[in-house]
This record gives sequence, C-alpha cells and structure tokens, in this order.
Amino acid sequence: AQSVTQPDIHITVSEGASLELRCNYSYGATPYLFWYVQSPGQGLQLLLKYFSGDTLVQGIKGFEAEFKRSQSSFNLRKPSVHWSDAAEYFCAVDGGFKTIFGAGTRLFVKA
Amino acid sequence: SAVISQKPSRDICQRGTSLTIQCQVDSQVTMMFWYRQQPGQSLTLIATANQGSEATYESGFVIDKFPISRPNLTFSTLTVSNMSPEDSSIYLCSVRTGDNEKLFFGSGTQLSVL
Repeated sequence: AQSVTQPDIHITVSEGASLELRCNYSYGATPYLFWYVQSPGQGLQLLLKYFSGDTLVQGIKGFEAEFKRSQSSFNLRKPSVHWSDAAEYFCAVDGGFKTIFGAGTRLFVKA
Repeated sequence: SAVISQKPSRDICQRGTSLTIQCQVDSQVTMMFWYRQQPGQSLTLIATANQGSEATYESGFVIDKFPISRPNLTFSTLTVSNMSPEDSSIYLCSVRTGDNEKLFFGSGTQLSVL
C-alpha cells in the first residue's frame, strides 16, 4: 500500500533563510509525487509534481523538489523563504488510482 | 483544468441528523474523490467515486456512514449520516483530470456538529 511520511510536524525558519521540508514515501514502483500548500483558511494549491524524467523539479513561488529513488524521498526546498510562505505543506503520493497525503508540515517564518 | 463547485460551503448540524454535500464539476471526469480534513489534520481519503460503479471506501470508512452517489461524469454527492461531533470537519471533493496530472479540489464544506 502506498504511504507518505512527513517527519517534521512543524519547522521554524528565519525570513531569507533556506528551507527543506522532508517527505518519504512507500510504494512498489515509482509513483507520482506532489507537494501542495495550504494557507490558513485557504484551499490546497499545487506547488509542483514529479512524474518521470529529471529528478529535480521546479515549481511555483520559487520552490523545487528532488526525487531520490534510492532514499524514497521527495524533499521540498526553497533557497530564501519569505514571510508569505508561512503555511501548511503536504506531500502526496499517487500510484495511479488514488492520492494519499502526508500528515503535513507547518512552516513558521520569523522576522 | 477543472472547476469544482461544492455545496454547501458550511453548515451547522444537530447530532443524529444527516447532511448531503454536492460536488459539481465543469467537465466530465472519470475519477472523483472525497476527502476529510479534521481540524489541524491532513487530508484523509474517504472514498473514490467512479461513475457506473459503487464507490470504493478506504479503511475506517463505511458506506452506511458515508453513502456516495455518482450519477454521471460531472456530479457526485457525499452524505454524512447520523452525525456526531466527531464528524465536525472539512469535507473536500476532488477530481483528477484526463491528463492524470493532478487533483483539483473544491473549496470544501465546513461541517460543525453540535
């Protein structure tokens, strides 16, 4: 069965600092992988996705993620965090039939 | 892309009653999904609703509690039956488009059970 683990419940970074949010997945083959962001009181917005090909994918708002098959990971990164990035981030895995979401990581940005 | 209209956007219900949530999509889609997001939690898949077949429920969810209809390729309903305060949550309809690239989400239904 497919599953997603986001080991960090919350992370605090200073504005302008770099960010990495961890995501590990479990699936028998290479799944589709996604990162979504949910701002307070808002819906879900897709940041980026990986299906195949280049393992480093670029997304919106300056985010990128790297797929590492050997580590079953799909970590999200941003070189310089802005205060508006404070939100909940969800990693998701899709084996072709359904999308399963991780528990989420709440990002706090301090001035 | 797909635009999803979900109704009602919010409701406050009494314990023991039922609420039916509607999901309308602006294009024909094969796969529709219903998720629940409890306060401060992630999204949990309730069931997959494909037109022409019975919904497939995830572990912990049963048809008697969450009956689903999928009469055509643009519409689905989820009913939350015999509600209790533990059912207070956001319920989200989502669809996967034909290119299979990502999920589109409705704006959700905020349900509070007293």
